[in-house]
Amino acid sequence: AQSVAQPEDQVNVAEGNPLTVKCTYSVSGNPYLFWYVQYPNRGLQFLLKYITGDNLVKGSYGFEAEFNKSQTSFHLKKPSALVSDSALYFCAVRDRNGEDTGRRALTFGSGTRLQVQP
Amino acid sequence: ETGVTQTPRHLVMGMTNKKSLKCEQHLGHNAMYWYKQSAKKPLELMFVYSLEERVENNSVPSRFSPECPNSSHLFLHLHTLQPEDSALYLCASSQEIRGRTEAFFGQGTRLTVV
Repeated sequence: AQSVAQPEDQVNVAEGNPLTVKCTYSVSGNPYLFWYVQYPNRGLQFLLKYITGDNLVKGSYGFEAEFNKSQTSFHLKKPSALVSDSALYFCAVRDRNGEDTGRRALTFGSGTRLQVQP
Repeated sequence: ETGVTQTPRHLVMGMTNKKSLKCEQHLGHNAMYWYKQSAKKPLELMFVYSLEERVENNSVPSRFSPECPNSSHLFLHLHTLQPEDSALYLCASSQEIRGRTEAFFGQGTRLTVV
């Protein structure tokens, strides 16, 4: 079984400050990890993913995430937050053990609402 | 635009009605998904279709019935729903390459059961 935990329902940060949105995961094997963002009344938009290689992954809109195998974490970060970054952020995982069938869907966390104050 | 289109965007239906949600993807993907999003809960995977074959059904009540007539279209047929079925229903697609690819989501259908 695979699962994702996003321990914070909401993160508040001032514009221009660095932001971190936390994510930890659980899989039986090695993970593929993803971050998505959801703006009001919209579907989920892909931000970035970790498949293999460098633990620091860079994605859209200046976001990045660091894969930490020992802590089973994949926290989302941005050096300088913008008001327009305010949205709902979802972390997702897929177990590599499902890659033979290629049919394993993503498992999502419950989401973290990011609020960036001007 | 993500290349995944869902219709309608909003739907209000009574508990005795029958309605269908439609999803169309223009990305040439070979897998499609239905997710349910309720407030303050993780996205719940409902159904997975890979190469038009249903490969996963996460104990979804039979009042939800999926249909995938071809690799570009996915439907969710609804009948005799309950108020607790009110949620945002999201369709997604991906090109399955050993699990490495991200899914692309539609904008969702906001369903209200009255």
